[in-house]
Amino acid sequence: DTGVSQDPRHKITKRGQNVTFRCDPISEHNRLYWYRQTLGQGPEFLTYFQNEAQLEKSRLLSDRFSAERPKGSFSTLEIQRTEQGDSAMYLCASSLLREQYFGPGTRLTVT
Amino acid sequence: RKEVEQDPGPFNVPEGATVAFNCTYSNSASQSFFWYRQDCRKEPKLLMSVYSSGNEDGRFTAQLNRASQYISLLIRDSKLSDSATYLCVVNPGSGNTGKLIFGQGTTLQVKP
Repeated sequence: DTGVSQDPRHKITKRGQNVTFRCDPISEHNRLYWYRQTLGQGPEFLTYFQNEAQLEKSRLLSDRFSAERPKGSFSTLEIQRTEQGDSAMYLCASSLLREQYFGPGTRLTVT
Repeated sequence: RKEVEQDPGPFNVPEGATVAFNCTYSNSASQSFFWYRQDCRKEPKLLMSVYSSGNEDGRFTAQLNRASQYISLLIRDSKLSDSATYLCVVNPGSGNTGKLIFGQGTTLQVKP
């Protein structure tokens, strides 16, 4: 399967813990995006990389959130000191041109 | 006002019906437009890009009206397998911005 992959698929954590998610984009895609989706809403943009450069961050991305793409391939999204409001599906997408292709997501539950 | 607005539905239609979804966007500088389909608890999947001249892919037709900032999706001869949430999606700007702005989604339920 050459699609976008994400790991883990599900994560349950206690409030205050740190979590890290990984995204592997489609291999020839130089652009990588993170989105967050809550129930009944469309995905909301978090941040965007072109190769290893982080070009845009949403206001939604508080200082507890950090994303990296160190070698321009896979990316990680870390949430520090998780809060119950962080519970959501975290989606990664990649693109070469205009169209973005999404991975299966990581569903985070903060208890 | 939301940047991308859709009627959330649900739209309940019988098999074989024609159904149309509409969407409006607020940023007149928006560059690219898409429809994505999302099944329950799955990721969004690209259904089609939307071009100024309108485009068709099988039973699906998308239209863009830049003057009215309006996008539509028409599904003909609905199948049970078309039941899903349809997301109207806009790339709001030019330059290096790659972000997509999603509508809330419109839920379609096709019944036998």
